[in-house]
Amino acid sequence: DTGVSQNPRHKITKRGQNVTFRCDPISEHNRLYWYRQTLGQGPEFLTYFQNEAQLEKSRLLSDRFSAERPKGSFSTLEIQRTEQGDSAMYLCASSTGRVGYTFGSGTRLTVV
Amino acid sequence: EDKVVQSPLSLVVHEGDTVTLNCSYEVTNFRSLLWYKQEKKAPTFLFMLTSSGIEKKSGRLSSILDKKELSSILNITATQTGDSAIYLCAVEDDMRFGAGTRLTVKP
Repeated sequence: DTGVSQNPRHKITKRGQNVTFRCDPISEHNRLYWYRQTLGQGPEFLTYFQNEAQLEKSRLLSDRFSAERPKGSFSTLEIQRTEQGDSAMYLCASSTGRVGYTFGSGTRLTVV
Repeated sequence: EDKVVQSPLSLVVHEGDTVTLNCSYEVTNFRSLLWYKQEKKAPTFLFMLTSSGIEKKSGRLSSILDKKELSSILNITATQTGDSAIYLCAVEDDMRFGAGTRLTVKP
């Protein structure tokens, strides 16, 4: 499979717990993006990496959100002390910077 | 504040109709505008527009950018039920999406 892979597909967690999502981009793509999407809204940008460098993180929703991309390959998005308002679809996308983004199928987070 | 605005937010048409979806933007950094189709899960790429006035076309879908008006349109001719989806536009450099237009095509 040469697409963008996200795991897990679904995550149900209790309020206050930490969660971590993983994204494996298309191998030749050096750019990786995280978005959050809630019902009826377009994807909301969270953060962006070029190789291993996190070039934009000012739009992360709060300091409970953090992301890493060690070695410039896969990336993880962590949400600490989850809240019910964090329930959403978390989308990862990758690109070469030339022809738009390719999205993964997303991780649906439900905080109960 | 930077923003991307799509209109209409939703649209219901019958098979065979032609539709025009609108996207306007106000962003500090603009290099290209992207259109996506989202059915159930991940948005899938349709077009990337960088130059004003040059139409991109793929089958029954076409799109054009107007940098003077800071806007783009997506046209779908002879709509089919399979065109039912949410259509999203985004400004690539700002990594900002609009809220999308939900298109429903009835048989």
